[in-house]
Amino acid sequence: AQTVTQSQPEMSVQEAETVTLSCTYDTSESDYYLFWYKQPPSRQMILVIRQEAYKQQNATENRFSVNFQKAAKSFSLKISDSQLGDAAMYFCAYRSAQTGANNLFFGTGTRLTVIP
Amino acid sequence: DTGVSQDPRHKITKRGQNVTFRCDPISEHNRLYWYRQTLGQGPEFLTYFQNEAQLEKSRLLSDRFSAERPKGSFSTLEIQRTEQGDSAMYLCASSFRSGPRGDTQYFGPGTRLTVL
Repeated sequence: AQTVTQSQPEMSVQEAETVTLSCTYDTSESDYYLFWYKQPPSRQMILVIRQEAYKQQNATENRFSVNFQKAAKSFSLKISDSQLGDAAMYFCAYRSAQTGANNLFFGTGTRLTVIP
Repeated sequence: DTGVSQDPRHKITKRGQNVTFRCDPISEHNRLYWYRQTLGQGPEFLTYFQNEAQLEKSRLLSDRFSAERPKGSFSTLEIQRTEQGDSAMYLCASSFRSGPRGDTQYFGPGTRLTVL
């Protein structure tokens, strides 16, 4: 089974600074998808960014970007110009591209604190 | 609001009672997923529907759990004879797959179950 590891239970960043959250995964598949989801306190999980494994170009969404290293099975999230609203739990997730394999595998999350 | 909705948001029950949760997906989404999230962990997959058909069930879904999606619209998740170990956040997600490439799951706010 695929496993997703987030080795940083907690991270903090000063407002307006940049922070990088780490994620590694284990798979024998060559085609898959990777996601970062954000879960603010007592609020629902929101998709931050998505990466398709067959694409070499790193995904970006405004202040959020990823560093996807397929050979190293690494998928880190960079948040630039951090804002107070970025404070949340961040989950890395993996999904196979195989037909019939539809569920997400999540890491244990990283709690991000933004310091004013 | 066009997002995924779940009802109730909170449920407290006594051990041995039955509970039922409801999920209303985004209206055009043909896929619906249930996940369970315990404190300090990422969500874990329970089951998946494509339209009204339940196509995947996790080993986590014991025989006390049953899910339905009549007419391919809303879904219900029932837990019979609840146990304290069932205490968790139950998350629903939906997605729309229109082609060979993967889809993105959008999550509801969750139902927090506490079993006393």
